[in-house]
Amino acid sequence: QVQLQQWGAGLLKPSETLSLTCTVYGGSLRGFYWSWIRQTPGKGLEWIGEINHSGGAFYNPPLKRRVTISVDSSKNQFSLTASSVTAADSAVYYCARVSRGFQYFYGMDVWGQGTTVTVSS
Amino acid sequence: ESVLTQSPGTLSLSPGERATLFCRASQSVSTTYLAWYQQKPGQAPRLLIYGASNRATGIPDRFSGSGSGTDFTLTISRLEPEDFAVYFCQQYALSPFTFGPGTKVDIK
Repeated sequence: QVQLQQWGAGLLKPSETLSLTCTVYGGSLRGFYWSWIRQTPGKGLEWIGEINHSGGAFYNPPLKRRVTISVDSSKNQFSLTASSVTAADSAVYYCARVSRGFQYFYGMDVWGQGTTVTVSS
Repeated sequence: ESVLTQSPGTLSLSPGERATLFCRASQSVSTTYLAWYQQKPGQAPRLLIYGASNRATGIPDRFSGSGSGTDFTLTISRLEPEDFAVYFCQQYALSPFTFGPGTKVDIK
């Protein structure tokens, strides 16, 4: 049974860099996309971006300038960094596995436990 | 961007009743790219339905999905106590992939 375990700093100051990592247990990075999503009471669930095992990534356009998603296959991990954070980046961040095929989306079927990130001076 | 709206915002029902939740997309979504999730307080979302009508692994058959084009429905045939939660629809047809704002199903 595949599980995602995520971690990272939960309290940041404005202008700092957010860094979160998600480790995949019980499965491989191959054959899936790996996503980051955040959730706030005001904006709900927001897709940040995702990456495949070989490093091909794509992002939500409003965030693209500040966000990088990377993968480390040797550690079975993928990571999210976001530079120059503001209070608007305060959210619960989730990593998730994306199951997709040719012209078919099987859903985000495995999720991490979530990390609460607060940006405050 | 494909905007998803969900209705109603809150659905107050009793255990054993039928729940019908709606998701409308601002642009047509192929059924192959529409999913539903359940979220309970303090937990991550859980995949319920993919391909608009296919139950994910381990999801009870009281959950069903239907719809096409811009209008989709999630139905819970008989609410169990553990079904009181928030439900989200998601489209994966057009990047950025978006979620609806959610429908809260609470106990009447």
